[in-house]
Amino acid sequence: GAGVSQSPRYKVAKRGQDVALRCDPISGHVSLFWYQQALGQGPEFLTYFQNEAQLDKSGLPSDRFFAERPEGSVSTLKIQRTQQEDSAVYLCASSLNRGRETEAFFGQGTRLTVV
Amino acid sequence: KNQVEQSPQSLIILEGKNCTLQCNYTVSPFSNLRWYKQDTGRGPVSLTIMTFSENTKSNGRYTATLDADTKQSSLHITASQLSDSASYICVVSLYGNNRLAFGKGNQVVVIP
Repeated sequence: GAGVSQSPRYKVAKRGQDVALRCDPISGHVSLFWYQQALGQGPEFLTYFQNEAQLDKSGLPSDRFFAERPEGSVSTLKIQRTQQEDSAVYLCASSLNRGRETEAFFGQGTRLTVV
Repeated sequence: KNQVEQSPQSLIILEGKNCTLQCNYTVSPFSNLRWYKQDTGRGPVSLTIMTFSENTKSNGRYTATLDADTKQSSLHITASQLSDSASYICVVSLYGNNRLAFGKGNQVVVIP
């Protein structure tokens, strides 16, 4: 596709429910990032993939958060036993990872509301 | 403490007026600095990028400056339009590991 695609756009989950958020990066982009953006805040780093390898998961807030990118393209962010503090917009970005001016392109995000 | 601080947090300006947004960072080692525009309900979109050796970069009515010595950047919006209403996020890229450090954004509202 032309850009980074995320689905669903909106997700309402009952507290305790598991959710899975999908990211389709731009074809050929090596790097993939997940960010969490609370209302009125800037995005906060969650995790980073280079191809299928998860090189950095230091931003995942708890072991309820899990991300994978098994074939180096599509990525899924899974949140188990959701809690109200998980409510946020989850942004995915991808980049070519070539040199200092490589740009990260963002998807529109998935707005997760835990009730 | 956030490594990228932006000010003012929010501002309201009249259509046609200019405004300047500030970004101070402590991130090191530095690779590049970008300003992103994020419309409500959308993902961030890059406006400008500057590397260590660049002092200024323009993109239409947007002009960004960078002082790498003092670790400060600014984004100047000229002749604001209603469509400029958005959050403007300063993003610093760390050299070597591809990580991005985000500011919390400057929320700009342009009124007629």
